[in-house]
Amino acid sequence: DSGVTQTPKHLITATGQRVTLRCSPRSGDLSVYWYQQSLDQGLQFLIQYYNGEERAKGNILERFSAQQFPDLHSELNLSSLELGDSALYFCASSVVGSAGGYTFGSGTRLTVV
Amino acid sequence: DAKTTQPPSMDCAEGRAANLPCNHSTISGNEYVYWYRQIHSQGPQYIIHGLKNNETNEMASLIITEDRKSSTLILPHATLRDTAVYYCIAAPVASGSRLTFGEGTQLTVNP
Repeated sequence: DSGVTQTPKHLITATGQRVTLRCSPRSGDLSVYWYQQSLDQGLQFLIQYYNGEERAKGNILERFSAQQFPDLHSELNLSSLELGDSALYFCASSVVGSAGGYTFGSGTRLTVV
Repeated sequence: DAKTTQPPSMDCAEGRAANLPCNHSTISGNEYVYWYRQIHSQGPQYIIHGLKNNETNEMASLIITEDRKSSTLILPHATLRDTAVYYCIAAPVASGSRLTFGEGTQLTVNP
């Protein structure tokens, strides 16, 4: 157990639907990162939050959004889902101000049918 | 973040040392070298990081050249469970910067 909890582990949904992925960071970590990993692509950075504020944005589609709540958990919302959104979605957390490593969760496997 | 270059694949015999190279010739002074690995669709796992000195922990050793343009991750006694994709990343000192993953090296440890 890495300390970063992602739910659900697996999700199967239909095209056009909306889903929410949840991430609880490691205790004490203020920064949360979301990554997408498709079969034909590597790990793609989507978005970062720090203590409730958006800090950096990567290749995140307009159909996707995220937020970080006061208790520091984060949610990634994916809407108008397409077949190509099928992927592994990973969340990571870190302690800002330290050069230490980032801790990743075990991911959510999303399948859009 | 500085671009890193790694061989796409490597093989290693079980019990032998695995030496994974990484080139980061454009690394800047405020960038650490981080190594992560990903075992078949699991979440990436932090291995080690360093700035300019060599580092060792319970998982691996990191050797960084004096000019910091390249580094080598050493797994001293590779096991079958070390079969994974290994990523070398150069990122700024202050944690809080996103990590940019490249293609990595697929290490296969053979019995």
